[in-house]
Amino acid sequence: AQTVTQSQPEMSVQEAETVTLSCTYDTSESDYYLFWYKQPPSRQMILVIRQEAYKQQNATENRFSVNFQKAAKSFSLKISDSQLGDAAMYFCAYRSATRDMRFGAGTRLTVKP
Amino acid sequence: DSGVTQTPKHLITATGQRVTLRCSPRSGDLSVYWYQQSLDQGLQFLIQYYNGEERAKGNILERFSAQQFPDLHSELNLSSLELGDSALYFCASSGRDNEQFFGPGTRLTVL
Repeated sequence: AQTVTQSQPEMSVQEAETVTLSCTYDTSESDYYLFWYKQPPSRQMILVIRQEAYKQQNATENRFSVNFQKAAKSFSLKISDSQLGDAAMYFCAYRSATRDMRFGAGTRLTVKP
Repeated sequence: DSGVTQTPKHLITATGQRVTLRCSPRSGDLSVYWYQQSLDQGLQFLIQYYNGEERAKGNILERFSAQQFPDLHSELNLSSLELGDSALYFCASSGRDNEQFFGPGTRLTVL
């Protein structure tokens, strides 16, 4: 079974600084997708960034980028120039080719002004 | 706005009761997924439907069941409710791009 591990229950960053959230996963499949979702206090799940396993290039979306290390089964999220609105729970997720998505336990990010 | 709608937003009921949660996917999406999120926890995958047929099953209790109708909307039925069933229930839909879009969730409180 695929498992997703987020080892940092809580993280804190100063406004305008950079923070990296960690995620590792366990799988025997070669074809899969990885995602980072943001869940603000409204509880809405918002897709932040996605990565296809077959792509070597790390995905980037504005201030958000990932460091995808396929051999190490690691998928970290880097948030640059952190803003107060980035404060939320962040969930790492893995989806296999069969489309069964698994989520990590989440990391609560606090942004200090 | 993800395009996925869920009703009701909030539901308060008593133990032993039965409730139905409803989800309408984004226009054109054939897949619907149901997730349960207990307080301050991650999302647990419950079940997936694709074009009316069950595609994948996760940690869904036997007291829970779901279906997807010809118009592609889906319903999650929860019966013999227990206090521990109190949670946020999310529906998501996806199309050919493999990306899941989440609805706003239904908050279920069992008293």
